[in-house]
Amino acid sequence: NAGVTQTPKFQVLKTGQSMTLQCAQDMNHNSMYWYRQDPGMGLRLIYYSASEGTTDKGEVPNGYNVSRLNKREFSLRLESAAPSQTSVYFCASSRQWETQYFGPGTRLLVL
Amino acid sequence: ILNVEQSPQSLHVQEGDSTNFTCSFPSSNFYALHWYRWETAKSPEALFVMTLNGDEKKKGRISATLNTKEGYSYLYIKGSQPEDSATYLCAFSNFGNEKLTFGTGTRLTIIP
Repeated sequence: NAGVTQTPKFQVLKTGQSMTLQCAQDMNHNSMYWYRQDPGMGLRLIYYSASEGTTDKGEVPNGYNVSRLNKREFSLRLESAAPSQTSVYFCASSRQWETQYFGPGTRLLVL
Repeated sequence: ILNVEQSPQSLHVQEGDSTNFTCSFPSSNFYALHWYRWETAKSPEALFVMTLNGDEKKKGRISATLNTKEGYSYLYIKGSQPEDSATYLCAFSNFGNEKLTFGTGTRLTIIP
């Protein structure tokens, strides 16, 4: 089992460009999450999905959209990147209410 | 927004010494408290999930306790080793909400 995978590992964008971060899990988990990690701020939830076809906002959703394409995949889209979105992005998945398993992270730099 | 606080923010411990740190969380409507270990340049890995007041969990030299009435959990490391150097995160969830709220972590450095 690969667990949770994320692509790309690293990306540089110019302000205003768009991109999609991909996440997939092979653990048959219903719940999936997108977090961002910034120095001194810990992990903050951007969006989550409790099941295929449902998504919900987290603590910091502005500037992002998500798609739960199927049970395995949950993507995060930046429509118009801003320097404030420079961060490390983590995807996670879990069975409902249980331990979350994290992907390796995507390091994003917006110039 | 639920507030999860961890202390201290950072800690340097001599190899072989034991140490502990704290996570405090809202005590009302509690469901579960999670501890994660996060090594630099890696992703967080689960250590424990605790749900009952008085719960104690142990994995090797690491253990954790939970007090849901007063809203705190302690993580203990016995006989620290260099490989214990990491950031330790706690995260809280309450009934009706499976989302986790994370603390900012305790960064532990073991001095050989």
